[in-house]
Amino acid sequence: QKEVEQNSGPLSVPEGAIASLNCTYSDRGSQSFFWYRQYSGKSPELIMFIYSNGDKEDGRFTAQLNKASQYVSLLIRDSQPSDSATYLCAVNEAGGSQGNLIFGKGTKLSVKP
Amino acid sequence: GAGVSQSPRYKVAKRGQDVALRCDPISGHVSLFWYQQALGQGPEFLTYFQNEAQLDKSGLPSDRFFAERPEGSVSTLKIQRTQQEDSAVYLCASSLTGTANGYTFGSGTRLTVV
Repeated sequence: QKEVEQNSGPLSVPEGAIASLNCTYSDRGSQSFFWYRQYSGKSPELIMFIYSNGDKEDGRFTAQLNKASQYVSLLIRDSQPSDSATYLCAVNEAGGSQGNLIFGKGTKLSVKP
Repeated sequence: GAGVSQSPRYKVAKRGQDVALRCDPISGHVSLFWYQQALGQGPEFLTYFQNEAQLDKSGLPSDRFFAERPEGSVSTLKIQRTQQEDSAVYLCASSLTGTANGYTFGSGTRLTVV
């Protein structure tokens, strides 16, 4: 069973702090990694994707990938109350169709003013 | 259209009833995906279309679930003889090029089977 594991949280950080969200995956052949943000009652929206080992930065967001450890993380700098949401990690299924993303259950982030 | 449109937004069905959920993808997007998201869970893949061809239906949970995209644009997910365990949000997503850069989800249809 191919799995994506995330700590369900809630992860609570004060406004202005760095929020660190982590994800591990079981399929060593996976090549593409995604972070989605989902507000309560809304659909997931793509924040970032990463393919190569190392860091990828986009504004306040940094995705980090370590394929050897099968680990991907998302750092949110200068966290804002509007960042409070569930963050979903998703991984493409190696050998699957182009459409097959495997999602974790998500980590709920709460940013306190 | 500007985004992925799904209808209805909410659907209540009596157990045993058939339902049809509609997805209107972003214009020009050849790839279309259906996911099922149960409460407190991440989305789970159901099926994938490239234009009108259904290339992967490995995630459909039973033969009561059927999806089609006859003209390569609008797609319909049909669930026959609904059961309580079918209660979930059904998400549709579309992409210009498959999953290479992720894809855009619609607002979803929340199905409640009573």
